[in-house]
This record gives sequence, C-alpha cells and structure tokens, in this order.
Amino acid sequence: GESVGLHLPTLSVQEGDNSIINCAYSNSASDYFIWYKQESGKGPQFIIDIRSNMDKRQGQRVTVLLNKTVKHLSLQIAATQPGDSAVYFCAEIVYDKVIFGPGTSLSVIP
Amino acid sequence: GAGVSQSPSNKVTEKGKDVELRCDPISGHTALYWYRQSLGQGLEFLIYFQGNSAPDKSGLPSDRFSAERTGGSVSTLTIQRTQQEDSAVYLCASSSRTKRDQETQYFGPGTRLLVL
Repeated sequence: GESVGLHLPTLSVQEGDNSIINCAYSNSASDYFIWYKQESGKGPQFIIDIRSNMDKRQGQRVTVLLNKTVKHLSLQIAATQPGDSAVYFCAEIVYDKVIFGPGTSLSVIP
Repeated sequence: GAGVSQSPSNKVTEKGKDVELRCDPISGHTALYWYRQSLGQGLEFLIYFQGNSAPDKSGLPSDRFSAERTGGSVSTLTIQRTQQEDSAVYLCASSSRTKRDQETQYFGPGTRLLVL
C-alpha cells in the first residue's frame, strides 16, 4: 500500500499568528489535491481542495497554494487559533489513486 | 446517520485472536476505503470498495487481512490471528462519486485496536 511510515514533523505557532504547512508531493501527473485536518482521537476532516489547473484557492481563514513546477503544496492558516491544533495531511490524487503525505502536527501556543 | 460511523471505537484483544471491525458509510456513498494509522504516523491505504466489489486490495499487508462489503453499504474488516504489530487505528472513509478519488473522502472516527 501507500505506506507513510515517517514520524510527524511538528510546527508550533503563537495564537494569532499565521501558520504555513508545507507538503511536497510525489507525482507530476497528480491532478487533484486535498488538505485534511485530524484532531486528536478523531478521523481526518476535509479542509480545502485544489485542482491542478489552479495555483491558489481560498477558504475561510485558509488558503492553499500549488506550485506544480517544484511539486509543492502549502496550507496557510490566518490568525491561528487554539482550535487549529491538529495534524494536517495533504493528499494527492493521480491516476485514480490517492496518496497521503506523512502529516504535520500543528501546535498553537496560547 | 449524518456521518461515517465505525464500531467498536476501541478493541483490546490477545495475540492470535481474530477481530472484526465494522464501518457504516454515509448513506448513498458508493465508494468505501479502509486505512490504517499507527501512532504518530500517517495514513496507510488498505483496500477500496466500489459498491460491493474491491477493485484495489493492494494495501492489505498480509493474507490475515480481509474485507467485505454487503448491500453496497456496511463493510467489515477482519484480521485473523492478530499480531502486536496490527495495533493501530483503523479508519474508514466513504465518498459519493463513482470514480475513485474524484470526490472528497469523509472519514469515520476510527477503531483503536490494541493487540496484547
């Protein structure tokens, strides 16, 4: 399977600051990307998605940026709040297959 | 229900025993996925169903793992002769599209399996 056996990188930010979570994806043919948020003890939840024909998409307090040249995806969270503390996963979809990144643990300091 | 549900929420078993995990997807969702997540790690794909058939079983780690889906709805993941390395959270997700991964997956809360 698509094993992602790495330990999670972590990011600590001060409440109210902006957070940027990065993801390097593996396949240049990937045409759809999703960010998920997983809170402790819960399953992942959809945050925002982006198609490969776009380079930026905005939601409520979140923005996803896609750089296909370097195969890089980022999630920006504005005015980070304690409730944003969670693990964030990117997922790429290529040829009908979904591949999850290893995840980043975001910790918000009150 | 409104979301994906899984049962049991927690399962403790002894090494060598069989376990069965259940997933109830969102009503009307044709696609169903099983993942495994070890502590502090990412998601490992196990198996995908479209309706009652499983076109992709590539993620099942060994022949001790099997899954079925009946009536295009409920799915069960069975682990036979459990080993300690099977301890993990088993997540189920469903999506509405008929083509794999063209739609957002909605995840259940997971079943936390501990093999002693």
